[in-house]
Amino acid sequence: DVKVTQSSRYLVKRTGEKVFLECVQDMDHENMFWYRQDPGLGLRLIYFSYDVKMKEKGDIPEGYSVSREKKERFSLILESASTNQTSMYLCASTPWTTYEQYFGPGTRLTVT
Amino acid sequence: RKEVEQDPGPFNVPEGATVAFNCTYSNSASQSFFWYRQDCRKEPKLLMSVYSSGNEDGRFTAQLNRASQYISLLIRDSKLSDSATYLCVVNLNTGGFKTIFGAGTRLFVKA
Repeated sequence: DVKVTQSSRYLVKRTGEKVFLECVQDMDHENMFWYRQDPGLGLRLIYFSYDVKMKEKGDIPEGYSVSREKKERFSLILESASTNQTSMYLCASTPWTTYEQYFGPGTRLTVT
Repeated sequence: RKEVEQDPGPFNVPEGATVAFNCTYSNSASQSFFWYRQDCRKEPKLLMSVYSSGNEDGRFTAQLNRASQYISLLIRDSKLSDSATYLCVVNLNTGGFKTIFGAGTRLFVKA
């Protein structure tokens, strides 16, 4: 079974703090994604990566950056957290062959 | 117009009922199609891929109509455990990787 893990299930941070969200997958998938999910807005793509050290902006990259130093690990960074970044953050991975996305359990981030 | 549109829901059905979800997509470059299930406060999980020939997995049947740009999911003999949000997902072939998620349709199955 594909396993995608995220570093925290719940996180509370203060405005202005730098926040790191880590995601690890164990199935050697090439593609990895970061989404945020908000009520009424559905899933929105923040960034994705199709290879080590490669990254592409998604639909809402402002206020975020990413890092992919190893194939299995994709990190999302909030340089200076703001209250409007309070959300559920979901990481996903997929191979090129099927495009079926496998999600991690999510991190519910609250910025106060 | 949204790129992927689903029935707004929620659907409230009794156990044993048959329920159908519809999804339309606007981009003809759409290449692959999926239904995901998401339980409350959990991550989305792949329910099934959708093929042009249609496919069935137990009580679940998915259909794709490329000419009408329409996808459906049929659930027969609904169980309480089917209560969840069902997401329609479309991958676009634009030379890169683009996945569009529908907003989801909430299903409540009641005893």
